Amino acid sequence: QKEVEQNSGPLSVPEGAIASLNCTYSDRGSQSFFWYRQYSGKSPELIMSIYSNGDKEDGRFTAQLNKASQYVSLLIRDSQPSDSATYLCAVHTGGFKTIFGAGTRLFVKA
Amino acid sequence: DAGITQSPRYKITETGRQVTLMCHQTWSHSYMFWYRQDLGHGLRLIYYSAAADITDKGEVPDGYVVSRSKTENFPLTLESATRSQTSVYFCASSEADGNYGYTFGSGTRLTVV
Repeated sequence: QKEVEQNSGPLSVPEGAIASLNCTYSDRGSQSFFWYRQYSGKSPELIMSIYSNGDKEDGRFTAQLNKASQYVSLLIRDSQPSDSATYLCAVHTGGFKTIFGAGTRLFVKA
Repeated sequence: DAGITQSPRYKITETGRQVTLMCHQTWSHSYMFWYRQDLGHGLRLIYYSAAADITDKGEVPDGYVVSRSKTENFPLTLESATRSQTSVYFCASSEADGNYGYTFGSGTRLTVV
C-alpha cells in the first residue's frame, strides 16, 4: 500500500461544478496535510493546509480532514478552466518526512 | 527577485558525467529540500538540509551529493549521471521542517543520454 494514495484521474468536471479530489494516507501519526496545485510544466504551488479534523475554507477551496478514516479531500467550488491542473496531496508525518501522492489530474470543461 | 530560483531550467548530459543543479533562495529559510518528480511516483525526497552545514539523506539519495556552505544556496550534484536520473528536479524551502508546507523553485528538467 502506498503511503499517500490519490486517484490519478483524469477527473473531468464542467465549468461551474464542484470538483472533489480525494486522498488517503497510511501513517496514523501524520500531523499536517497539504494540497498543492501543479500546472503542466510548472512547479507545485501550496494552496491549502489543514491540521485538525473538519473543514477549512479558503475562497473557492475547502479542505476536509478525517483522521479516523485517514482521509483528506479538496473541494473546488465553481470550477473554472483555470483550475485545470494536477493536484498533489501531501502528508507531513513528522521530522523531515513529507510524503506526496502521485497527483490527480483535473480538467474543467468550458 | 525574491524567492527561490533554480538553474539551469533544462540540462542534457551524457551518462557518466558529473552535473550540478543550483538552488538559491532569498528568504533566509533554514530548511531546504531537493525532490525529484517522475511519472507515477510523485515527488520523492533526495536530500534535505536544516541549516548551513547540516544535511541528511532522504528517500532516494543514491548517486547524489549535496552541500550547504551558505544558508541561501543548496546545490545538488550527480556524481556520475545515469539514465535513471533523468527526471524533473525541484528545490524547495521552508521556515520549518515541513509542518507548514514548502515553496518550490521552478524546477530543472534533466535528461541523461
